[in-house]
Amino acid sequence: KNQVEQSPQSLIILEGKNCTLQCNYTVSPFSNLRWYKQDTGRGPVSLTIMTFSENTKSNGRYTATLDADTKQSSLHITASQLSDSASYICVVSQANSGYALNFGKGTSLLVTP
Amino acid sequence: DSGVTQTPKHLITATGQRVTLRCSPRSGDLSVYWYQQSLDQGLQFLIQYYNGEERAKGNILERFSAQQFPDLHSELNLSSLELGDSALYFCASSPRETLYYNEQFFGPGTRLTVL
Repeated sequence: KNQVEQSPQSLIILEGKNCTLQCNYTVSPFSNLRWYKQDTGRGPVSLTIMTFSENTKSNGRYTATLDADTKQSSLHITASQLSDSASYICVVSQANSGYALNFGKGTSLLVTP
Repeated sequence: DSGVTQTPKHLITATGQRVTLRCSPRSGDLSVYWYQQSLDQGLQFLIQYYNGEERAKGNILERFSAQQFPDLHSELNLSSLELGDSALYFCASSPRETLYYNEQFFGPGTRLTVL
C-alpha cells in the first residue's frame, strides 16, 4: 500500500480560481514533506520543503500546509494561471532510511481559460 | 533548467535488447538518483550513488544496473528489455549524501519505448 495518498486524482478549474490539493501519508518516522510540480513529459520541480516544525510555507502563489499530528498536507494555489496545468506530487521523506523519499501518484491539474 | 542533463531524450528499442542512459549531475552535486515513471504511475526510486559509491537501492530489477564515474556522471544500464520497461527514466542530483532538507534537482528525463 502506498504510504502517500493524494486527492483528488485530477482536477479542472477555471483560470483565476483557487484550488487546494490534499496529501495524506503514513510514512514514519517523518522527516520532511515536499511538493513538486511536474509538467507533462518533464522532470519534477520542487515547490516547497517542510519539516515537522513548519506549518505553512509559501512559494509565490503556492502555499503548502502541514499537520504532522494528523499526517496531512495541502497545497493551495491562488489565482490559478494556465501555466499551473501540471501534475503536483507530494513526497514524504522517512527519517530512518537515509531520508528515502516516498512519492504520491500526483494530482493532475488542468486550468482552463 | 535544473542543471542536470540526461541523454538521450528519446530511445526506441526492441524487447531483449540492452540500453544505456546517461546523466550528468549539477556542478558540485555528489549524489545521483535514478527514478522510473511508468504511465499513470508515480515516480519509483531505483538507486542512488554518492561520490562514486552505491548509497541506497529501491525497486531496481536485477536486469538493471547503474554506476557513477569519477567525474560524477552516472549511467543506468537496462538489459533484456521487456515491454513493461517502457517508461520515463529520470535522473536527479543533490549536493549531499542524504536528502534531509536538501533540494533534489531533476533532469529532463529519457523516454524509453520498448517495442
